[in-house]
Amino acid sequence: AQSVTQPDIHITVSEGASLELRCNYSYGATPYLFWYVQSPGQGLQLLLKYFSGDTLVQGIKGFEAEFKRSQSSFNLRKPSVHWSDAAEYFCAVGGTGGYNKLIFGAGTRLAVHP
Amino acid sequence: GAGVSQTPSNKVTEKGKYVELRCDPISGHTALYWYRQSLGQGPEFLIYFQGTGAADDSGLPNDRFFAVRPEGSVSTLKIQRTERGDSAVYLCASSPLGGGNTEAFFGQGTRLTVV
Repeated sequence: AQSVTQPDIHITVSEGASLELRCNYSYGATPYLFWYVQSPGQGLQLLLKYFSGDTLVQGIKGFEAEFKRSQSSFNLRKPSVHWSDAAEYFCAVGGTGGYNKLIFGAGTRLAVHP
Repeated sequence: GAGVSQTPSNKVTEKGKYVELRCDPISGHTALYWYRQSLGQGPEFLIYFQGTGAADDSGLPNDRFFAVRPEGSVSTLKIQRTERGDSAVYLCASSPLGGGNTEAFFGQGTRLTVV
């Protein structure tokens, strides 16, 4: 069955520290992969996506993610976290059926200490 | 409008009542999606429209849930005989085309509470 696992429910980092959010997936073929961010009172915003090609993808707000087929992972990284990055982050897979039928992980809530 | 608009933003209803949730997609977007997000979970796919037709309704949990998009723009999600387990945030998203490699833009959601 297709699924997405985000092992960390909550993560707390200090402002300026580096960040890595983990995502593992189970999918029948090479999926399309996405990271979304959800801030309080805001809709889901797409940070970045991977379809094919270069396995290191750059996104908005200084985020990047690396697709590792051998590990079925698509971890999100940021070298230096800002207080405004505090939010909930969702990894998602899917879209290979020709439309955005996405399977989301349960999310990782990020807190940033000043 | 500039983004996907969902109304109402909050809805409280009594168990057994009927509710309608509205989604105004971004103008010109032909693809429209409904997702449901329960507390502490990621969004779950409910239904996908391409134009006026429901191309995939495999995520609708049971026959109490129904969605329409009669003119290929605004969509309404309808829930009959609501149950407390229906309490969740209902998200709508739209994209310019149906392709899975196009970005889907999400609205802020309707928080439904069934008491």
